[in-house]
Amino acid sequence: EPEVTQTPSHQVTQMGQEVILRCVPISNHLYFYWYRQILGQKVEFLVSFYNNEISEKSEIFDDQFSVERPDGSNFTLKIRSTKLEDSAMYFCASHPPQGDEQYFGPGTRLTVT
Amino acid sequence: AQSVTQPDIHITVSEGASLELRCNYSYGATPYLFWYVQSPGQGLQLLLKYFSGDTLVQGIKGFEAEFKRSQSSFNLRKPSVHWSDAAEYFCAVEAGNYGGSQGNLIFGKGTKLSVKP
Repeated sequence: EPEVTQTPSHQVTQMGQEVILRCVPISNHLYFYWYRQILGQKVEFLVSFYNNEISEKSEIFDDQFSVERPDGSNFTLKIRSTKLEDSAMYFCASHPPQGDEQYFGPGTRLTVT
Repeated sequence: AQSVTQPDIHITVSEGASLELRCNYSYGATPYLFWYVQSPGQGLQLLLKYFSGDTLVQGIKGFEAEFKRSQSSFNLRKPSVHWSDAAEYFCAVEAGNYGGSQGNLIFGKGTKLSVKP
């Protein structure tokens, strides 16, 4: 069964560094999302992406964040200058053109030191 | 603003016992509601969803949930819990207005389920 994949599974970075989190959505899906989950807190929406542009973004998704679909398969989340409070599990999800479910990847745990 | 409340942070049940996980939502229109499960080290897996129609929905792994508009609730139930059900459970509402489920999801804080042998 096709699934959403994310790399790396764990990323450790120093404060102020740039990180890129990578996702490969399911191949025929058209809607893409990033969510994050700070340890012990709820899963929070960051951004949705459709037709090569951002559809919606939350207030968390400030100028330090950007998303890109650089080719036909990858969907990336970049954080330009990481802060300690960016430490979280980041989930990618995708949604088919028809259907009623967002499919989530296993997540990337980002640790900012 | 839309929100989801899961009042129980942690629940422990004995294997074979019944389970009910509570979820209340705040949403102006007819909500699209979901329950996801997250096992340690895994992503979020959809258990079931409610869009319209029959208010009792069946999901995978023997779970069901009942939508009660009057109580703004969407509680998850299972008649007999198995040890493998130990995980974290998240209730979510779709926040967009797309007429489908493409909008972003608003999650509750989750309920961690432990199962005693």
